[in-house]
Amino acid sequence: NAGVTQTPKFRVLKTGQSMTLLCAQDMNHEYMYWYRQDPGMGLRLIHYSVGEGTTAKGEVPDGYNVSRLKKQNFLLGLESAAPSQTSVYFCASSILLTYEQYFGPGTRLTVT
Amino acid sequence: GQQVMQIPQYQHVQEGEDFTTYCNSSTTLSNIQWYKQRPGGHPVFLIQLVKSGEVKKQKRLTFQFGEAKKNSSLHITATQTTDVGTYFCAGLHGDYKLSFGAGTTVTVRA
Repeated sequence: NAGVTQTPKFRVLKTGQSMTLLCAQDMNHEYMYWYRQDPGMGLRLIHYSVGEGTTAKGEVPDGYNVSRLKKQNFLLGLESAAPSQTSVYFCASSILLTYEQYFGPGTRLTVT
Repeated sequence: GQQVMQIPQYQHVQEGEDFTTYCNSSTTLSNIQWYKQRPGGHPVFLIQLVKSGEVKKQKRLTFQFGEAKKNSSLHITATQTTDVGTYFCAGLHGDYKLSFGAGTTVTVRA
């Protein structure tokens, strides 16, 4: 039981490049989330999904897209990376009843 | 912007002392959760409070939920070096999403 895994762990992009971050969970959780963490700002919600095939915008969705084609996977895409997207990205999943969130190990992204 | 405010942002504690971190929401919360993130790690769930006035304890950690369900606190007694990290509160406002506070980063002087 791996819990929540994230790929890759580190990435450096040049401005304008694109990439996809992959999140996978093996706990059969319905809900999945993408957050970004910046110093002094806590965790800010980018997008979330309440089930396979559904996604919704969070607090800071601009510049990101997501897809949830399978229940266990939640993908975060950056179409044209900007230096402002330099951050640590965390994926999380939760069960319907308690919303207790299980976080992945994070992806550290630097955009130059 | 964030709907949940957390203070203080930093807490420097002498080993063995107590401290408290506070969390305040502008709106009533369905529940409040607390997470701990060790340096270089990811947030880990500590506890959830649901009822008005609820108090829960985990060894040296005491969590409280206010009567109006708009504020919460985490009190740690006899701080140890293992308590180092950032503590986040997160409030559920009635939908599927949690609003995280900015966190209190705790350092301990031995």
